[in-house]
Amino acid sequence: QKEVEQNSGPLSVPEGAIASLNCTYSDRGSQSFFWYRQYSGKSPELIMSIYSNGDKEDGRFTAQLNKASQYVSLLIRDSQPSDSATYLCAVKSGGGADGLTFGKGTHLIIQP
Amino acid sequence: EADIYQTPRYLVIGTGKKITLECSQTMGHDKMYWYQQDPGMELHLIHYSYGVNSTEKGDLSSESTVSRIRTEHFPLTLESARPSHTSQYLCASRLDRGDYTFGSGTRLTVV
Repeated sequence: QKEVEQNSGPLSVPEGAIASLNCTYSDRGSQSFFWYRQYSGKSPELIMSIYSNGDKEDGRFTAQLNKASQYVSLLIRDSQPSDSATYLCAVKSGGGADGLTFGKGTHLIIQP
Repeated sequence: EADIYQTPRYLVIGTGKKITLECSQTMGHDKMYWYQQDPGMELHLIHYSYGVNSTEKGDLSSESTVSRIRTEHFPLTLESARPSHTSQYLCASRLDRGDYTFGSGTRLTVV
């Protein structure tokens, strides 16, 4: 069974600091990796996608992928109170059912 | 602004009723999906479609059914609602190899 694991938190980070979110996945055939942000009661919104090993930067966000270790991370620099949300790691496998496999999410709290 | 719409946003309904959750997208996406999410839990894929007249079951077994008669429309139906169906239902779509776009969701409560 394909699994995506995340620390549920809450992860508390002071405003202006770097928030580091981690995710591991079980399916070595996974090809695509995504980070979504979900505010309470809202739908997920795409933050970053990453497909190859290494780092990918977009503004304050950096996604890191290490396929050998089956590990994905998201760094948020200069954290703002508006970044407080649940961050979902999602993985697209190479086979099986189409669609994404999600982790339970990490609840991030940015302290003003 | 998301171009994928779900109605109703909230639904409280009695046990045994038949319900249909609507999902429509105006982006011309071929692929559409239904996910189920319980509070504090991960999203689980319950149905997906590659295009018109294509429907497949997802990773999580569900008593719901779906249809895809038109590209833009992917409704989900429960023939007889039960309290165990209480959950949030999220619809998503994408082009082949594209990013997933989610609707606002339908929060269903069966009493």
